[in-house]
Amino acid sequence: NAGVTQTPKFQVLKTGQSMTLQCAQDMNHNSMYWYRQDPGMGLRLIYYSASEGTTDKGEVPNGYNVSRLNKREFSLRLESAAPSQTSVYFCASSEYSSGYGYTFGSGTRLTVV
Amino acid sequence: SQQGEEDPQALSIQEGENATMNCSYKTSINNLQWYRQNSGRGLVHLILIRSNEREKHSGRLRVTLDTSKKSSSLLITASRAADTASYFCATDLIIQGAQKLVFGQGTRLTINP
Repeated sequence: NAGVTQTPKFQVLKTGQSMTLQCAQDMNHNSMYWYRQDPGMGLRLIYYSASEGTTDKGEVPNGYNVSRLNKREFSLRLESAAPSQTSVYFCASSEYSSGYGYTFGSGTRLTVV
Repeated sequence: SQQGEEDPQALSIQEGENATMNCSYKTSINNLQWYRQNSGRGLVHLILIRSNEREKHSGRLRVTLDTSKKSSSLLITASRAADTASYFCATDLIIQGAQKLVFGQGTRLTINP
């Protein structure tokens, strides 16, 4: 099925460890996004990529880096994980001109201990 | 800061009743979108209403938009147990040529059988 695929689905890290969350979409969308969702909260934008080759900070970028590897893939890296980064991370893609909403992945549940 | 705020934060009704959720936002928008999130899952796009539209229907969903009051409402008619989920409004902004979706904190809807 077409959509957004995130890996891994679950991850436990120790404070100070690093990891990369992977995201790929097969809908030929130009724009991709990374959000985090904390318990009982809405989604907050970490970074986004309006098109291949561009990335920009969102609302909560500190402690994260991103790479738009190609049109399909947009990865999120935690260089030195902190307990405050315990959250559920969602990747999404969109094509503004289509008039449709975002397509979200199923999320990565990250715990930093 | 949150662009969109939903009201109520939680809503519990009997199956068959109608459910109404409200969303207020702060700045001018291109469109407003509603999403559903089942527990532990990703977000699913429900409906998009453009800034020049006042009402839109999709199945049992009815969305209204009042740009003068910067508010929107989502009505789910003849609710079913399967409608139990969290519902988020999201405002679509274009900033420096990039589409950005800003989410509210959501309404947790429970449908009692």
